Amino acid sequence: QQPVQSPQAVILREGEDAVINCSSSKALYSVHWYRQKHGEAPVFLMILLKGGEQKGHEKISASFNEKKQQSSLYLTASQLSYSGTYFCGTKGEMNYKLSFGAGTTVTVRA
Amino acid sequence: DSGVTQTPKHLITATGQRVTLRCSPRSGDLSVYWYQQSLDQGLQFLIQYYNGEERAKGNILERFSAQQFPDLHSELNLSSLELGDSALYFCASSDGAGVYGYTFGSGTRLTVV
Repeated sequence: QQPVQSPQAVILREGEDAVINCSSSKALYSVHWYRQKHGEAPVFLMILLKGGEQKGHEKISASFNEKKQQSSLYLTASQLSYSGTYFCGTKGEMNYKLSFGAGTTVTVRA
Repeated sequence: DSGVTQTPKHLITATGQRVTLRCSPRSGDLSVYWYQQSLDQGLQFLIQYYNGEERAKGNILERFSAQQFPDLHSELNLSSLELGDSALYFCASSDGAGVYGYTFGSGTRLTVV
């Protein structure tokens, strides 16, 4: 079952912050985050495993709320290079399938 | 270069035809995944192989089949092609459990005319 991402799109000015949410109706084992630029392949950003840990990648970090089966991706002090479509992928326990959300398109303007 | 090689990069074929997409995983990765991405759409999981064995199946059509060979490369076969099969097909690879994320290839863009 596909996770639900919100918002669908966000427009930022350089230096602004944004949060992208990803939620699932099923118990999750892991959440992946990827960024895809137009015409390119998705690129892995980070993975969060069951346990509610928070991870960081430069000024991009994420959290995983196990109780709510939700993950959030935080874009801090956005840069032009952050533009792209962000996908969360979720995997349940005892489930090998990684299902992706519909994506959130982020546009960062100067 | 991500280390995952997909060929061909582009493919144009007619309805009713059959095509084969090829993927070589990153060195050391045992798992291969196939995803379909239609225009401005998300990534739809098709199938996963681990060390030659099918491990998980998504909404893969009966007209589509795949396999992973002993050298770990994988092929996705699409037959009786329809216009709606036009999409970007991505292959990704990972270690067995995927706890370090998936590495995607650059994709094969299939256009059915």
